[in-house]
Amino acid sequence: GESVGLHLPTLSVQEGDNSIINCAYSNSASDYFIWYKQESGKGPQFIIDIRSNMDKRQGQRVTVLLNKTVKHLSLQIAATQPGDSAVYFCAEKGNTGFQKLVFGTGTRLLVSP
Amino acid sequence: DVKVTQSSRYLVKRTGEKVFLECVQDMDHENMFWYRQDPGLGLRLIYFSYDVKMKEKGDIPEGYSVSREKKERFSLILESASTNQTSMYLCASSLRREANNEQFFGPGTRLTVL
Repeated sequence: GESVGLHLPTLSVQEGDNSIINCAYSNSASDYFIWYKQESGKGPQFIIDIRSNMDKRQGQRVTVLLNKTVKHLSLQIAATQPGDSAVYFCAEKGNTGFQKLVFGTGTRLLVSP
Repeated sequence: DVKVTQSSRYLVKRTGEKVFLECVQDMDHENMFWYRQDPGLGLRLIYFSYDVKMKEKGDIPEGYSVSREKKERFSLILESASTNQTSMYLCASSLRREANNEQFFGPGTRLTVL
């Protein structure tokens, strides 16, 4: 398969563990944040989003936490599975009104059985 | 489900050739985007469009142009391909111009310029 990032930070976990992937964002005026998952050879896939008026949002096995004070976003994956192995990256949208996202460079999650 | 399709998964072209990358979305989205993705650099926005015949430059528009003649189709054009345009190209779409909506991505086109 193809690598989308040869020198990405990597998080290695065991199957069944909980994973936490972190992201520092740059614009204190950003009002919308998204986490994407990208498997090798595929386009990014939406996981979960959060608006700046929230500090936590839960999905199926995933939770996003937003700390606006320190401009930090995290993605928590519960009971990580081998199929969760991928590159994860966050994206932020400024409050200018248009849909321009700024993407982080990503973290590679490796899940071993 | 939203579907964003790209015309080719892999493409090999020669320096100086004109290259067309096509993207189609089937959910009546207003916004469409072209990114390139390179190791260590993440996704960088080339051009975007929020309406038919409208286009806006992104962060790295040099060497590229775009066309949006129909709402569902957004084309990226490399007028004269160069080796530094070897990259993964990703198309995306989102619902409305001024709304917090996720962008839906196509599978990508891996372009190699020799």
